[in-house]
Amino acid sequence: EDQVTQSPEALRLQEGESSSLNCSYTVSGLRGLFWYRQDPGKGPEFLFTLYSAGEEKEKERLKATLTKKESFLHITAPKPEDSATYLCAVQDTGGFKTIFGAGTRLFVKA
Amino acid sequence: DGGITQSPKYLFRKEGQNVTLSCEQNLNHDAMYWYRQDPGQGLRLIYYSQIVNDFQKGDIAEGYSVSREKKESFPLTVTSAQKNPTAFYLCASSMESSRPPGANVLTFGAGSRLTVL
Repeated sequence: EDQVTQSPEALRLQEGESSSLNCSYTVSGLRGLFWYRQDPGKGPEFLFTLYSAGEEKEKERLKATLTKKESFLHITAPKPEDSATYLCAVQDTGGFKTIFGAGTRLFVKA
Repeated sequence: DGGITQSPKYLFRKEGQNVTLSCEQNLNHDAMYWYRQDPGQGLRLIYYSQIVNDFQKGDIAEGYSVSREKKESFPLTVTSAQKNPTAFYLCASSMESSRPPGANVLTFGAGSRLTVL
């Protein structure tokens, strides 16, 4: 059964303090791994898709990486506006559904 | 601008009532989905539809029903059979239905918060 586990549940950073969020996944065959950002009371917004181990993608202060069992979302010199919940999700090659992790709530203090 | 519109944003239901959440998209996407989000849990799939007039149960379909009469619309009814309906409901759509390669990136609406009184 496909499974996604994110850690930590919550992360508190000072502005400028870089860190990483972890996403561990189990799938029979990976079709794609996704990162979304969700602000309180709103729908998730797409950030990245990663398809194969070794792939990396960047957007402003965010960088996503992928191994065969994990993905990391690296946040470099975060700002308060980066505060949100970050969701990791996977699709496997045998199905159509997207399976989500519980998310990591990020708080960045000025 | 293209996107997904969910309504209402907030909804209150008395026990024993059925309520319907609206979801409309103008992205010309083939597939549409309903997810439920509870505090501390990931999004859980309720129903999904890959084409008009066809839909499949997700992981937690009991107590819910859907229809897909138009490509643009995918309403969700929360019936009185759903024992714990208080949650945040998210509608999403994606361009590809089931064709490989490439994965289906989901576009989400703003959500509807349902509270049972």
